[in-house]
Amino acid sequence: QKEVEQDPGPLSVPEGAIVSLNCTYSNSAFQYFMWYRQYSRKGPELLMYTYSSGNKEDGRFTAQVDKSSKYISLFIRDSQPSDSATYLCAMSAGNNRKLIWGLGTSLGVNP
Amino acid sequence: DTGVSQDPRHKITKRGQNVTFRCDPISEHNRLYWYRQTLGQGPEFLTYFQNEAQLEKSRLLSDRFSAERPKGSFSTLEIQRTEQGDSAMYLCASSPAGTGNYGYTFGSGTRLTVV
Repeated sequence: QKEVEQDPGPLSVPEGAIVSLNCTYSNSAFQYFMWYRQYSRKGPELLMYTYSSGNKEDGRFTAQVDKSSKYISLFIRDSQPSDSATYLCAMSAGNNRKLIWGLGTSLGVNP
Repeated sequence: DTGVSQDPRHKITKRGQNVTFRCDPISEHNRLYWYRQTLGQGPEFLTYFQNEAQLEKSRLLSDRFSAERPKGSFSTLEIQRTEQGDSAMYLCASSPAGTGNYGYTFGSGTRLTVV
């Protein structure tokens, strides 16, 4: 079993839809949780960063962490065609530690 | 300097040849990371430098792989006697001191194809 599980999709939604992406993990030591966006042939770009459990909102993006269920989510409101990319979750046990990544979910937003 | 720069962007090499990649981090970042990403997978950690010191190496980094960061500035990743399984995107990231995982900035990667 991989430490971090993420459905690779692909996920296709119409413009304006609410998108829900999620990851599950097995290592209870993980405390730092991140969501990255990766466009084709580019490096990952940090979208959201959360420490421990709770919610965090930034514009159209909301990240949720439920440590009791070992489950994290990213919600995208009013999705745009420019949101079409691969979304990767990443997590680590401590600050400055290496990141453990999910496979990434491919998202397509259709105009 | 507006980001992490990696060179070359693409490299095609024959099996058995040696290749070297370069990463120039953001100038004030003292931490530098190498990751490898294959198609349909998330990045896998390879190694990490703080200034010129290599602090952690993954077991994925076999004896054929070596990374250096002389003078704590740019870094090189060398792969000797390349194998087809080395074909991947090699990503470099840097972060400033004190920001930990939050401050990662990735480059666009070097895509290696071993034929």
